[in-house]
Amino acid sequence: DVKVTQSSRYLVKRTGEKVFLECVQDMDHENMFWYRQDPGLGLRLIYFSYDVKMKEKGDIPEGYSVSREKKERFSLILESASTNQTSMYLCASSPFRAGEGEQYFGPGTRLTVT
Amino acid sequence: AQKITQTQPGMFVQEKEAVTLDCTYDTSDQSYGLFWYKQPSSGEMIFLIYQGSYDEQNATEGRYSLNFQKARKSANLVISASQLGDSAMYFCAMSEGQNQAGTALIFGKGTTLSVSS
Repeated sequence: DVKVTQSSRYLVKRTGEKVFLECVQDMDHENMFWYRQDPGLGLRLIYFSYDVKMKEKGDIPEGYSVSREKKERFSLILESASTNQTSMYLCASSPFRAGEGEQYFGPGTRLTVT
Repeated sequence: AQKITQTQPGMFVQEKEAVTLDCTYDTSDQSYGLFWYKQPSSGEMIFLIYQGSYDEQNATEGRYSLNFQKARKSANLVISASQLGDSAMYFCAMSEGQNQAGTALIFGKGTTLSVSS
């Protein structure tokens, strides 16, 4: 079974803190993704990576950065957390190129910034 | 411009009945993929079914089938014989592009399905 794990299910941070969300996949997938999910908005792409040290901006990259030093790990960084970054964050990985197959999701991290 | 449209915020169905969740999409690409995911209240996203733009036949996976109408740009999910465990949020998604590494999915806003006994 494909397994995508995220470092925390729930996280509470203060405004201005630097926040790291970690995602690890165990299936040697090339492609990894970070989405955020907000009620009524569906999932929106923050960043994705198709190879180690490669990254591409998604639809809403402002306020976020990412790191992919190893193939299995993709980190999302909130440089200075703000209350409008309170959300559910979902990581996904996929072996497939565009349009060819599904992405596998982690369980999500519900982040609250106070 | 919205690329994936799910017009039904909520749907209600009785156990054992069939239900159709609507999804329309917009793309100018010839090669793309269409997906449906289920998200129960626990939060994880569960892949249900996939349809490639060049697939001639509608995809089926157990009780799930995807009614793909290319000319209408629709990709409706049909769940036959609904079960209580089908109660969840359902997302339609699309992946665009040809031979592009790791293009992300574009999601609709979701439809909440409630199944009653």
